[in-house]
Amino acid sequence: GAGVSQSPRYKVAKRGQDVALRCDPISGHVSLFWYQQALGQGPEFLTYFQNEAQLDKSGLPSDRFFAERPEGSVSTLKIQRTQQEDSAVYLCASSFGSYNEQFFGPGTRLTVL
Amino acid sequence: QKEVEQDPGPLSVPEGAIVSLNCTYSNSAFQYFMWYRQYSRKGPELLMYTYSSGNKEDGRFTAQVDKSSKYISLFIRDSQPSDSATYLCAMEAGGSARQLTFGSGTQLTVLP
Repeated sequence: GAGVSQSPRYKVAKRGQDVALRCDPISGHVSLFWYQQALGQGPEFLTYFQNEAQLDKSGLPSDRFFAERPEGSVSTLKIQRTQQEDSAVYLCASSFGSYNEQFFGPGTRLTVL
Repeated sequence: QKEVEQDPGPLSVPEGAIVSLNCTYSNSAFQYFMWYRQYSRKGPELLMYTYSSGNKEDGRFTAQVDKSSKYISLFIRDSQPSDSATYLCAMEAGGSARQLTFGSGTQLTVLP
C-alpha cells in the first residue's frame, strides 16, 4: 500500500508500562507529524519532524512522551510509565514538503488499564 | 475557549439533502483551511484544502472560507449514506507553524 501505516493498530498497557508506537510514512515524504485524538474529540498536535530533525515538540504533554525519526523515514513515539489519561488514538501523518497537505495513517488505539 | 469551535452534532439528514457544516476560529494567523472526513476506527481523510478566503468546489463538496468573519463551511450536495462519518475542520498558520489545529468534529448520519 502507498499510504501511511502504523503499528500496532491496538495496544493495551498496564499503568506504568512503557509503550512504543511505530509510523511508516509515505515514501519520499519529508514531513512527519504525530497527533493524539481523545474519544469524541479532534486530533491534537504532539510533534513534527522534517527529515530526521524534530522541529516542534510543543504539543508533547509531558516528559514521559518522546518521539524520534533517526533516519528521516520511520518514526517511533514512545510513552514511558503510561497513565490512564494517555488512553487515546495516536495518529501519524506525513506530507511531501513544507506546503503540502497531510495524509493520515489509521492510528494506534492505546488503552491504559 | 478553543482556537477552533465546531458544532459536534450529531446531525442526521435524509438521503439527497444538502448538508452544511461549519467552524469558527479565533486565531487570525490561520491561512490554510481543510476539511477531513473520518470513518469509525479510521484515520482522517482529506476532502478539501483551501488557502485564504473564497470558495472551492469538488464534485458534491463545496468549501467556503470567510477570513473577515473567521468562519468556514463545508457544503455537501445530494448527500449519500456513504457520507455518514465525522467531519473535522482543520487549520494551519503556515510558515514554520506546520501543525494542524482541528475542530472537535461533527458526526453526520445520512439516512437512506
